[in-house]
Amino acid sequence: GQQLNQSPQSMFIQEGEDVSMNCTSSSIFNTWLWYKQDPGEGPVLLIALYKAGELTSNGRLTAQFGITRKDSFLNISASIPSDVGIYFCAGPNLNAGNMLTFGGGTRLMVKP
Amino acid sequence: ETGVTQTPRHLVMGMTNKKSLKCEQHLGHNAMYWYKQSAKKPLELMFVYNFKEQTENNSVPSRFSPECPNSSHLFLHLHTLQPEDSALYLCASSQDHRGRTDTQYFGPGTRLTVL
Repeated sequence: GQQLNQSPQSMFIQEGEDVSMNCTSSSIFNTWLWYKQDPGEGPVLLIALYKAGELTSNGRLTAQFGITRKDSFLNISASIPSDVGIYFCAGPNLNAGNMLTFGGGTRLMVKP
Repeated sequence: ETGVTQTPRHLVMGMTNKKSLKCEQHLGHNAMYWYKQSAKKPLELMFVYNFKEQTENNSVPSRFSPECPNSSHLFLHLHTLQPEDSALYLCASSQDHRGRTDTQYFGPGTRLTVL
């Protein structure tokens, strides 16, 4: 079935640094979603991508839908302490009635 | 109140107890979902309801029993749980899970501890 592989699994960075994380699949996805989950809370949608090659920004966050439709990346510029959390990519599984498939997450830690 | 709400936020129960988790969405969506999130594991889809009909049961043990009385409310009834069922239980909603560009919105979760 369709699986999403996120990397890196965790990152520990200095405040002010830029961050880049990605999500890859062996199968094509028609939608890519990026969520952030704060400790003890549910995931919150950050960015949704619907077209191959699409580049979308949300404040300091930028995400791109890969041309091959098998990958997506999320960049965070000038990180701040509140960026701490787990970032998940997700996409509808074409082999399972469009049920969302989630990546394993990238845990981001920011050192002030 | 807007978005997706869940109650209680925290629940501690014994293995012989019966309890229920509640989810309510104020987004006018037609699909609702239950997920289980355990430490260091990806989100696990448990149940899906679309227009109040259960369309997905992802091989969930019968000690978890969902109920969807209408498109805005979703319950998860719990009985004779095991300690390994301790996890964060997340509810989500979306416009229609069959949609190609359907996007799910999550509640804050219920942190369940089974003693």
